[in-house]
Amino acid sequence: GQQVMQIPQYQHVQEGEDFTTYCNSSTTLSNIQWYKQRPGGHPVFLIQLVKSGEVKKQKRLTFQFGEAKKNSSLHITATQTTDVGTYFCAGQVGTYKYIFGTGTRLKVLA
Amino acid sequence: EAQVTQNPRYLITVTGKKLTVTCSQNMNHEYMSWYRQDPGLGLRQIYYSMNVEVTDKGDVPEGYKVSRKEKRNFPLILESPSPNQTSLYFCASSFRGQGDGYTFGSGTRLTVV
Repeated sequence: GQQVMQIPQYQHVQEGEDFTTYCNSSTTLSNIQWYKQRPGGHPVFLIQLVKSGEVKKQKRLTFQFGEAKKNSSLHITATQTTDVGTYFCAGQVGTYKYIFGTGTRLKVLA
Repeated sequence: EAQVTQNPRYLITVTGKKLTVTCSQNMNHEYMSWYRQDPGLGLRQIYYSMNVEVTDKGDVPEGYKVSRKEKRNFPLILESPSPNQTSLYFCASSFRGQGDGYTFGSGTRLTVV
């Protein structure tokens, strides 16, 4: 079946280091969304990418959508302790249908 | 404040005892959905609704029921809960269900013993 794999599953970084999580789909995606879930919290929508090769930035976060619209990445520059949480991608695979990745849990060591 | 409200936040119940988790949104969203979150499996969709009286199965619908009699409410019903339904449940809504981000509720942690 359709799958959206996300790697790595866990990442520990020192504060100030960069972090990247990758999302790979078995099928072409109409668009891809990214969410952040703080420990004990609920997912919060960050951004949506629609176009092939699209790059969007939000302060220290850079989001990319692959040329084939089957993969995406989220890069955080100079992590801070406030970046702690689990980052999920969600790819649209059909009408009203999104598949969430398994998430990457980020820990930032001060 | 624009939000999705779920109740209860925590629930412990026994096998076979019917329960309902409520979900309400105040943003006039057309689309609502239920997810369960389990370690290592991410968020898996249970049911979704595109509008009033229109619902459809997600990836893991077995053992669950939903209804959408009003636009703002989308309750999740477990007619006969079993221990494998122990999980963290999230309700989410969006304007159209595609092409716009979801707003999630705070979650309901359900334990079935």
